[in-house]
Amino acid sequence: DVKVTQSSRYLVKRTGEKVFLECVQDMDHENMFWYRQDPGLGLRLIYFSYDVKMKEKGDIPEGYSVSREKKERFSLILESASTNQTSMYLCASSLGQTSTDTQYFGPGTRLTVL
Amino acid sequence: AQSVTQLDSHVSVSEGTPVLLRCNYSSSYSPSLFWYVQHPNKGLQLLLKYTSAATLVKGINGFEAEFKKSETSFHLTKPSAHMSDAAEYFCVVSGRRALTFGSGTRLQVQP
Repeated sequence: DVKVTQSSRYLVKRTGEKVFLECVQDMDHENMFWYRQDPGLGLRLIYFSYDVKMKEKGDIPEGYSVSREKKERFSLILESASTNQTSMYLCASSLGQTSTDTQYFGPGTRLTVL
Repeated sequence: AQSVTQLDSHVSVSEGTPVLLRCNYSSSYSPSLFWYVQHPNKGLQLLLKYTSAATLVKGINGFEAEFKKSETSFHLTKPSAHMSDAAEYFCVVSGRRALTFGSGTRLQVQP
């Protein structure tokens, strides 16, 4: 079974702090994704990566950056957290490089920025 | 560009009655379409996937969906709802490199 793990289930940070969200997958998947989930908006893609050190912006990349130094690990960075970044953050991975591949999701990190 | 519209934000059914969750999509080419389910405090799980083979797709837990190109729809159905089906359901369309999610439909199942 594919396993996608996220470093924290719940996180509380203060405005202006630098925040790191970590995601690890154990199935040698090529693609990894970061989404945020907000009520009534579904999931929105922040960034994705199709290879080590490669990244592409999703639909809402402003205020975020990412890092993928190793194939199994994909980090989301909030350079200076703001209250409008309070949300549920979901990481996903998929095997190949086409969007038809099934994405496997982690349990999510609920981030609150005060 | 692609988009997906879930026509109902909330659906309430009685246990044992049919379920219909509606989804319309738009895409500039032949897309792949998915339904994902999210149970409370759990991660998203793939329910079923359409990738240009049979237009009627069967998924897990008795769910199925029919791809109708002429109507640009991909509605999710189940003949008989179970209490354990209560969850949020997302219709998803594939793009060139990534997926686009609908806003979700919360399914309530009344005893």
